[in-house]
Amino acid sequence: TQLLEQSPQFLSIQEGENLTVYCNSSSVFSSLQWYRQEPGEGPVLLVTVVTGGEVKKLKRLTFQFGDARKDSSLHITAAQPGDTGLYLCAGGIWGTYKYIFGTGTRLKVLA
Amino acid sequence: DVKVTQSSRYLVKRTGEKVFLECVQDMDHENMFWYRQDPGLGLRLIYFSYDVKMKEKGDIPEGYSVSREKKERFSLILESASTNQTSMYLCASSPHPTRWGREEGNTIYFGEGSWLTVV
Repeated sequence: TQLLEQSPQFLSIQEGENLTVYCNSSSVFSSLQWYRQEPGEGPVLLVTVVTGGEVKKLKRLTFQFGDARKDSSLHITAAQPGDTGLYLCAGGIWGTYKYIFGTGTRLKVLA
Repeated sequence: DVKVTQSSRYLVKRTGEKVFLECVQDMDHENMFWYRQDPGLGLRLIYFSYDVKMKEKGDIPEGYSVSREKKERFSLILESASTNQTSMYLCASSPHPTRWGREEGNTIYFGEGSWLTVV
């Protein structure tokens, strides 16, 4: 079973703090996506990282793809209550048809 | 806009019933996927299909089967529903016609989810 392990599983922080979420695998990915999911809804795409070592910024969110294309991180600067949600990494495993999701990180930002 | 439609948003079924979850996409996508989502376990791949009549097991296929008789429709079947299959089921489709490789990104589209309760 190919896995995408995310850490931490849960995170509760105060508004204004910084945080990093990690996504790790032993498999190589064609690219990795990060999603945010609200209760009762499907995942909403935040970003796609394609090239090993790539860094992408989306306002206060910074995404990085590992050099070996096996891992990724999401860093949020000055978190706000509106960032609260379930964050998922996902990707297509290189050389297969499979598209899999990470185990998820549930973030709660307290005002 | 690409649309992935799941036939039922909420279902309640009895243990032992046969359950069909239908998913239809309107963009002629080759790849279709079924996932289930449970608290603390993320979204886990049940089955996927990369062509009509083609199917492959995902990570948790036990207790499920699938059918892809037409390109636009991918059905998930619970032959005999059990309480441990109570979950949210999510269908997805992707136009990617080949195995994942060095591409600009894996474009994948999701349905709204089906909440199944087995009592």
